[in-house]
Amino acid sequence: RKEVEQDPGPFNVPEGATVAFNCTYSNSASQSFFWYRQDCRKEPKLLMSVYSSGNEDGRFTAQLNRASQYISLLIRDSKLSDSATYLCVVAGDSWGKLQFGAGTQVVVTP
Amino acid sequence: GAVVSQHPSRVICKSGTSVKIECRSLDFQATTMFWYRQFPKKSLMLMATSNEGSKATYEQGVEKDKFLINHASLTLSTLTVTSAHPEDSSFYICSARDRVESNQPQHFGDGTRLSIL
Repeated sequence: RKEVEQDPGPFNVPEGATVAFNCTYSNSASQSFFWYRQDCRKEPKLLMSVYSSGNEDGRFTAQLNRASQYISLLIRDSKLSDSATYLCVVAGDSWGKLQFGAGTQVVVTP
Repeated sequence: GAVVSQHPSRVICKSGTSVKIECRSLDFQATTMFWYRQFPKKSLMLMATSNEGSKATYEQGVEKDKFLINHASLTLSTLTVTSAHPEDSSFYICSARDRVESNQPQHFGDGTRLSIL
């Protein structure tokens, strides 16, 4: 079983719509959670950290459910520029070792 | 913000060649750097953790004699793919942690696309 699992998508989203997707992780001792964005053939870039109480950054909302061991990302009012692959990242208590999901592809269409 | 520079960004070479990739933290000191490999449509896979002034820690299944890592200073780590073969073709990405800004995760380099003919 993979340590971090994501629906690969693609999620085809009309511009202006809302899209949400989850990521599950297997290590219950995981302490830190992040969403990264990766554009085609580029390096990953940190989108946001995910906190236990849930957090919002503009149009992006992240949630953490420790009991069920999943995190989610919701994108409101999707823009064409949101088209990318979103990587779920999980870390232990030291952030020394990040576990990456394979990514969820989002395609925002006009 | 924190910047990690990776060089070269693209390498095409013949089978049997050794290729060196550099990873530099430009505006912060990185005691620890990480090397990842990513195949198409796959997740980033950690290859090794590079510690300044000591030997790298390799993940299971990664050949330490094939992927040589040197972390000679707080701002530079190098990965050398020795005697590269076509199956080594991949996207190699380094990352670094700022030893001062401990509340931030890793900062990534731009990646190196390696193609072995």
